[in-house]
Amino acid sequence: DAGVTQSPTHLIKTRGQQVTLRCSPKSGHDTVSWYQQALGQGPQFIFQYYEEEERQRGNFPDRFSGHQFPNYSSELNVNALLLGDSALYLCASSLQAIQETQYFGPGTRLLVL
Amino acid sequence: AQSVTQLGSHVSVSEGALVLLRCNYSSSVPPYLFWYVQYPNQGLQLLLKYTTGATLVKGINGFEAEFKKSETSFHLTKPSAHMSDAAEYFCAVSAQAGGTSYGKLTFGQGTILTVHP
Repeated sequence: DAGVTQSPTHLIKTRGQQVTLRCSPKSGHDTVSWYQQALGQGPQFIFQYYEEEERQRGNFPDRFSGHQFPNYSSELNVNALLLGDSALYLCASSLQAIQETQYFGPGTRLLVL
Repeated sequence: AQSVTQLGSHVSVSEGALVLLRCNYSSSVPPYLFWYVQYPNQGLQLLLKYTTGATLVKGINGFEAEFKKSETSFHLTKPSAHMSDAAEYFCAVSAQAGGTSYGKLTFGQGTILTVHP
């Protein structure tokens, strides 16, 4: 049983560019949450997707957007990249009914130059 | 609103010694509480969680934590540290099922645990 997978593992972009990160949830899970973990910090909640809709959102600007596909996989898009967007982006999957049990992927490390 | 404070960004213990990582939380609604571990260049792994019921929660790898509502604390302990326990540990809080922030984890800043031979 594959766990949560994310791609790519590493990414380098320049300021002003756009980036798309991808996440495949654990088999059977229907809910995907995204977190940003800056260096030396705890993860911060970006948003959550269920039934292809954004259900909850953290304190992140509109430059951060997402999508969930019918197969429950998800994308995180960040437009107009800033240096401060450099971070580890973590995807977590769960069942909508049991959101207290979230499984995290290994993350995508984004560096913005 | 919810927040987590982890006391001590770095904790160092000798192998075989007691591990104690401190976590205090703030929540305007009844909380669920979690401890996660993160090894270098990896994602987060759930160690244990408190939802309802017994306030002493046992997790994987010999860790346990006790929910103390009166102290708004959820400290993580392990009787005897192993070298393999060296990692970063995160305490997190969410609302209970049915709450508006259910499923949204709010994390502390993390505590790096070092284990000396």
